[in-house]
Amino acid sequence: QKEVEQDPGPLSVPEGAIVSLNCTYSNSAFQYFMWYRQYSRKGPELLMYTYSSGNKEDGRFTAQVDKSSKYISLFIRDSQPSDSATYLCAMFGGATNKLIFGTGTLLAVQP
Amino acid sequence: DTGVSQNPRHKITKRGQNVTFRCDPISEHNRLYWYRQTLGQGPEFLTYFQNEAQLEKSRLLSDRFSAERPKGSFSTLEIQRTEQGDSAMYLCASSFGNKDEQYFGPGTRLTVT
Repeated sequence: QKEVEQDPGPLSVPEGAIVSLNCTYSNSAFQYFMWYRQYSRKGPELLMYTYSSGNKEDGRFTAQVDKSSKYISLFIRDSQPSDSATYLCAMFGGATNKLIFGTGTLLAVQP
Repeated sequence: DTGVSQNPRHKITKRGQNVTFRCDPISEHNRLYWYRQTLGQGPEFLTYFQNEAQLEKSRLLSDRFSAERPKGSFSTLEIQRTEQGDSAMYLCASSFGNKDEQYFGPGTRLTVT
């Protein structure tokens, strides 16, 4: 079993929809959680960075962390075709800060 | 541009050849990381440096792989005697401190023929 599980999709939504992306994890030592956006053949771009449980909002993006359930989410409001990309969750904690990534969810926003 | 830079962006090599990649981190970032990403997968950790010290290496980093960060600035990742299984995107990231965000470069895409 992988330490971080993420549905690979693909997920297709119409423009303007609210998108919900999720990851589950098994290592209770994880305390720092990130979401990255990756366009095809490009490097990952950091979207959100959160520590421990709670919510964080930045523009159209909201990140949620529920450590009791070992579950994290990224919500995208008013989705745009330019949001079409692969979204990667990543996390670290304990004695190391190497990032453990999910496999990524491929999102397509249809105009 | 003050982001992480990587060179070359794309490298095609024949099996058995050696290749070297370079990463320039964000200025003043003490930590530098190398990851490898294959198609349809998330990046996997290879190794990281704090300043010039290499602090952790993944079991993925076989003895054909070596990484350096002389003087704690740029880093190089060398792969000796490349194999087709080494074909991947090699990503570099940097952070200021050990609990800080990691920012990624554009990656070097390696194709071994």
